[in-house]
This record gives sequence, C-alpha cells and structure tokens, in this order.
Amino acid sequence: QVQLVQSGAEVKMPGASLKLSCKASGYTFTSYNVHWVRQAPGHGLEWMGIIKTSDGTIFYAQNFQGRVTVTMDTSTSTAHMELRSLTSDDTAIYHCARELDSSFYLDNWGQGTLVTVSS
Amino acid sequence: QSALTQPASVSGSPGQSITISCTGTNSDIGRYDFVSWYQHHPGKAPKVMIYHVTNRPSGVSNRFSASKSGNTASLTISGLQPEDEADYYCNSYTSSFTYVFGTGTKVTVL
Repeated sequence: QVQLVQSGAEVKMPGASLKLSCKASGYTFTSYNVHWVRQAPGHGLEWMGIIKTSDGTIFYAQNFQGRVTVTMDTSTSTAHMELRSLTSDDTAIYHCARELDSSFYLDNWGQGTLVTVSS
Repeated sequence: QSALTQPASVSGSPGQSITISCTGTNSDIGRYDFVSWYQHHPGKAPKVMIYHVTNRPSGVSNRFSASKSGNTASLTISGLQPEDEADYYCNSYTSSFTYVFGTGTKVTVL
C-alpha cells in the first residue's frame, strides 16, 4: 500500500540545521510530486515547498526562500528537506505529502516528524 | 504569499449544516480551480476531502460539498456528525507556482 514514512523526531539548538527524510513506497516515486508542510504548535498548516520528482523542479514558499532546500534520491524513493538557521519558531510537526503530478492536491501524507528547537 | 482567510471556528448541532469560507486573491483562488480542502484531526495526518474546487475523492462522504465564487471558496458539511469535529483547511495553487493554505477552521459539533 502507499506509504510515506518520515524520519524520527529531532531536537535542535537554535542556529542549527535539520534534514528530514520522507521515504515513499507502494507507488511509482517519479509519478508524484513531494510537498513539505509544517504545523507549529497552536498554528495552522503552512506550505513550505515542492519537488517535482519527474524532473527535479523545485518551488519554495517565499517565507522559506534561502533557508530551505528540498532534494530527492530517486534510487531510494526518498525526499529530503533541509532547514537552516533554526529558531524556536521552527518548532513544529513537519509533514511530507504526495501529489499526482499536476493534480494540485495532496492525496497521501507522511506521519509527520516533530522537530523541537530549544537551547 | 499570505495565508487564505478562514473563520477561526464554526459550530453546529448534529444533523445541521455548516459552511466554512476561504478567501484568497485573484492570484490564487480567483485565478485557478485548484482549491482543495483538508480535514485534520489532531495527531493524525490531514485528509483530502475536496479537490479541484468541487470534487470528492473516493470514500469521502457526500455530506461534504464545496464551491467557489470569485476569490472565495466554501466547504459545506451537511448532516453534521460527531466525527466531523476537526480542523479544516483550504488550499490553493498560486500564480507563483506555489501553494498556500488557509488559516484553518475548528469545527465543533455541539
């Protein structure tokens, strides 16, 4: 069955970087784009970026430009999201989700990774 | 890109109908028919309830319906049931090749 399995919870110091992974299975990885979405405590869902797995095209939300990098490894059907210069505001649950290319909606989500930024 | 605007909370009694609005701009909702709605129970992964403004994925109850007019999309839940209590988010594709979520609406079944 379709699964997006994310890496485990992380605790980071302010100023550090994090790199999360999202391993896909049960479908053809390059037929679905991968999005990254986060939810900070007490806040709503926030879209961060997308990688088109068919050709590697990437778009980021303006709020994260210059601080986030999304990559993929098609050999392992895994997407990665790196976020740099962390602050306490980056404490959140980070989700990956898939989108059938050019369908414009997210039909399957990862379980989420809790990231805590604290000194 | 600012978040789409939703009411913070909407409530209704079992069996009633409620409607959640989602207001954007002519760079997102007003420009594309790529509005989707997600149901989010705390601690679980969000679930798509509506895509392409009005379409329900297989398995989603027909009590959920949606529409769009100008820069505002709406989600209606008919015959409200206790299990509908959750947070709901709209989402739209934008002219910047990005996506934006709404601010989220907490639905309470009284």
